[in-house]
Amino acid sequence: KAGVTQTPRYLIKTRGQQVTLSCSPISGHRSVSWYQQTPGQGLQFLFEYFSETQRNKGNFPGRFSGRQFSNSRSEMNVSTLELGDSALYLCASSRGEIDEQFFGPGTRLTVL
Amino acid sequence: AQKVTQAQTEISVVEKEDVTLDCVYETRDTTYYLFWYKQPPSGELVFLIRRNSFDEQNEISGRYSWNFQKSTSSFNFTITASQVVDSAVYFCALSAPNTGNQFYFGTGTSLTVIP
Repeated sequence: KAGVTQTPRYLIKTRGQQVTLSCSPISGHRSVSWYQQTPGQGLQFLFEYFSETQRNKGNFPGRFSGRQFSNSRSEMNVSTLELGDSALYLCASSRGEIDEQFFGPGTRLTVL
Repeated sequence: AQKVTQAQTEISVVEKEDVTLDCVYETRDTTYYLFWYKQPPSGELVFLIRRNSFDEQNEISGRYSWNFQKSTSSFNFTITASQVVDSAVYFCALSAPNTGNQFYFGTGTSLTVIP
């Protein structure tokens, strides 16, 4: 069974640009969650999607958004990038609520 | 509010030593789930174990064992006879039905096993 895949793996952007990250969950998993990991803040929850609906949202500004498609694939978008958005963005999928989440390798975003 | 505390930021042990990683959690929910994940240098978090609040039975899986104690709100992780491949950052996490599928992670413990 293929694991969670994320593309791209690495990304370099400049301030003010926008970026779209993609996540393909494990087959059969309908929940996709996104996390931001930084050395200073650790792992922080961004949002979770289930059956194309955002069920839960963390404490991030509106510049961070996401969506989920009918095949459960998910994208997250960050607009007007700031230096502080440099981080490892992790996507995780699970069958449903409270199930263990399986993580992808992450997208390393660097904002210059 | 949910909170997970991993007080040990970094631990170094010599190969073959046993090591225990501490995890203390806070929640007002009676139903909750605890997890441990391993993050090797490659960056991908690897699921290790899931425990629900109604099951305090300790678990052993090879060299890994977990001690769940509700009385002290702790879910500690012990690696027996550590190996160099165990070097990684280990995260403890909590989720609860009242907060959906959101995982609350601790700050992680970086384990270095010295050969």
